[in-house]
Amino acid sequence: DAGVTQSPTHLIKTRGQHVTLRCSPISGHKSVSWYQQVLGQGPQFIFQYYEKEERGRGNFPDRFSARQFPNYSSELNVNALLLGDSALYLCASSLGQGFNTGELFFGEGSRLTVL
Amino acid sequence: GQQLNQSPQSMFIQEGEDVSMNCTSSSIFNTWLWYKQDPGEGPVLLIALYKAGELTSNGRLTAQFGITRKDSFLNISASIPSDVGIYFCAGQGTNAGKSTFGDGTTLTVKP
Repeated sequence: DAGVTQSPTHLIKTRGQHVTLRCSPISGHKSVSWYQQVLGQGPQFIFQYYEKEERGRGNFPDRFSARQFPNYSSELNVNALLLGDSALYLCASSLGQGFNTGELFFGEGSRLTVL
Repeated sequence: GQQLNQSPQSMFIQEGEDVSMNCTSSSIFNTWLWYKQDPGEGPVLLIALYKAGELTSNGRLTAQFGITRKDSFLNISASIPSDVGIYFCAGQGTNAGKSTFGDGTTLTVKP
């Protein structure tokens, strides 16, 4: 079975540009969460989506937005990129509410470098 | 906001030794999880704990959910070279989709 897949794996942008990152969850998983991991730190929660609705948001500016599609895949969008947005962006899927949703399954991440 | 203090920050051990690392929080969590992350990859779930006082094993790994719900520890017995990596604890409150992560313990195992 395929795990969580993310694309692109690596990308380089310049300040002020916009980026879209994509995630496909494990088949049967209805919840997708996004995390930002800066080098040397643990992942930080950005968003959680379940059944196409935002169910949680971390302490990130409005430049960050996301959505979930009917097939449960998800996009993370970041506008007006700053140098500090350089990080590994991780997508995690889980079964969804009502289950042991604590068990998150992560993709390999999208490494974003902002120059 | 919620913060997790994970210690030690790094460990250098000899193959065959046992390892212990822990995580503490100022907030109560409903779930504690332990992940391992290898370079260039996403974290992989090792153990999930759902009840205060719960002690759970997964092979050579053992983890416990603290009675106060504010701490957890992970033990690795008889370490092997493939145990090398960064170990993260994570806690969850009422929103199971939101995990708060520690900053990791980097484990190096010398053959």
